[in-house]
Amino acid sequence: DGGITQSPKYLFRKEGQNVTLSCEQNLNHDAMYWYRQDPGQGLRLIYYSQIVNDFQKGDIAEGYSVSREKKESFPLTVTSAQKNPTAFYLCASSNRDRPYGYTFGSGTRLTVV
Amino acid sequence: QKEVEQNSGPLSVPEGAIASLNCTYSDRGSQSFFWYRQYSGKSPELIMFIYSNGDKEDGRFTAQLNKASQYVSLLIRDSQPSDSATYLCAVSAGGTSYGKLTFGQGTILTVHP
Repeated sequence: DGGITQSPKYLFRKEGQNVTLSCEQNLNHDAMYWYRQDPGQGLRLIYYSQIVNDFQKGDIAEGYSVSREKKESFPLTVTSAQKNPTAFYLCASSNRDRPYGYTFGSGTRLTVV
Repeated sequence: QKEVEQNSGPLSVPEGAIASLNCTYSDRGSQSFFWYRQYSGKSPELIMFIYSNGDKEDGRFTAQLNKASQYVSLLIRDSQPSDSATYLCAVSAGGTSYGKLTFGQGTILTVHP
């Protein structure tokens, strides 16, 4: 079955540590996205990529980095520069045709310990 | 002003009633509109999308779009306890920003027996 796989489901980060969240899709979608969700809030865009080897900053890119070396993969690194990384991270993908709706992964819950 | 704003919740309705969820957006160039349902601790799932002014019905769900007034709504008829969730409104500008969705903060819906 086609879908998006995020791993790990839960992740714990120590202060000053970089961590990488994995996102893999087998839907042959061109575009991929990373969102952050804080408790009781909507989704805020971190980074997105519409084509391999290209990506754009979203609204809250500071302290995060991404790469898009393969169409299927869009990993997100949460760096030590991100001072408040505890959140629910969602990866999504979409194709070029309407309705442009996203397919979401199951999410990664990151906690700073 | 928030780009996408949803009616403040939480919203509580009795089983069998109609639940009405509203969303306004600021970008007049927005072209595609989506409603996602998110259960606690889970990722959002697409339940409705609409592009054209008017109503679109799918089972117990009806999406309504009024571009002149820049609002989109979701009606849930015959509400069931299983409809209890957070509902997210999302808007896409289209064009070169195709696919990139801006989300509202979400409205929590509780359907009580």
